[in-house]
Amino acid sequence: RKEVEQDPGPFNVPEGATVAFNCTYSNSASQSFFWYRQDCRKEPKLLMSVYSSGNEDGRFTAQLNRASQYISLLIRDSKLSDSATYLCVVNMPGGFKTIFGAGTRLFVKA
Amino acid sequence: NAGVTQTPKFQVLKTGQSMTLQCAQDMNHEYMSWYRQDPGMGLRLIHYSVGAGITDQGEVPNGYNVSRSTTEDFPLRLLSAAPSQTSVYFCASSPLQGSQNQPQHFGDGTRLSIL
Repeated sequence: RKEVEQDPGPFNVPEGATVAFNCTYSNSASQSFFWYRQDCRKEPKLLMSVYSSGNEDGRFTAQLNRASQYISLLIRDSKLSDSATYLCVVNMPGGFKTIFGAGTRLFVKA
Repeated sequence: NAGVTQTPKFQVLKTGQSMTLQCAQDMNHEYMSWYRQDPGMGLRLIHYSVGAGITDQGEVPNGYNVSRSTTEDFPLRLLSAAPSQTSVYFCASSPLQGSQNQPQHFGDGTRLSIL
C-alpha cells in the first residue's frame, strides 16, 4: 500500500463547478498535512496547510479526518486558472520525511 | 528575492558520467531536500538535510550522494548516471519547527536526460 494515495483523475469540470479531491495516508501517527498545486512542468507550490479542525482559504476548503486517515480538498466556483495538478502531502512522524501523493489532475473548462 | 535556486535547468548526460546538481537557498532554512519526479508519479524523496553537516536518506537514495557543508547549499551528486535516473529533479527548503519540517519552497527544477 502506498503511504499517500490520491485519485489520479483527471477531473474535467465546467467553470463554476464545485469539485472535491480525497487523499488517504497509511501512517496513523502522521502529524502535518498539506495541499500543493503544480502547474504543468513547473515546481509545486503550497496551496494550503490542513488543520485538524478544517480550514478555509477563499474558495478552497481543506478537511482532515484522522479516524479514517484521509484529507480532502474542496474547490468551489472553479476558475479556468484552477486547472493544475493537486498534490496531497504528508509529513511522516518521528523524522523529517515528507511524502507526496502522485497528484490529482484537474481541468476546468469554459 | 531568489528563494531556492537550482542549476542547471537542463542537462543531458551519457550513461556512466557523473555530475552535480546545484541547489542554493537564501532564506536561512535549516531543512533542505531533493526529490525526483517521474511521469505519473509523485515526488519521491532522495535525500534530505536538517542542517549543515547532517544528511539522511529518503525513499530512493541509491545512486545519489549529498553533502551539506553550509546552510545555503545542498548539492546532489550522480555518481555514475543510468538511464533510470532520467527525471525532473526538485530541490526544496523549509524552516524547522520542533520535530517537523514546515511547508517547503521549491526550486524551478532540473530536467535531466541520461542517454
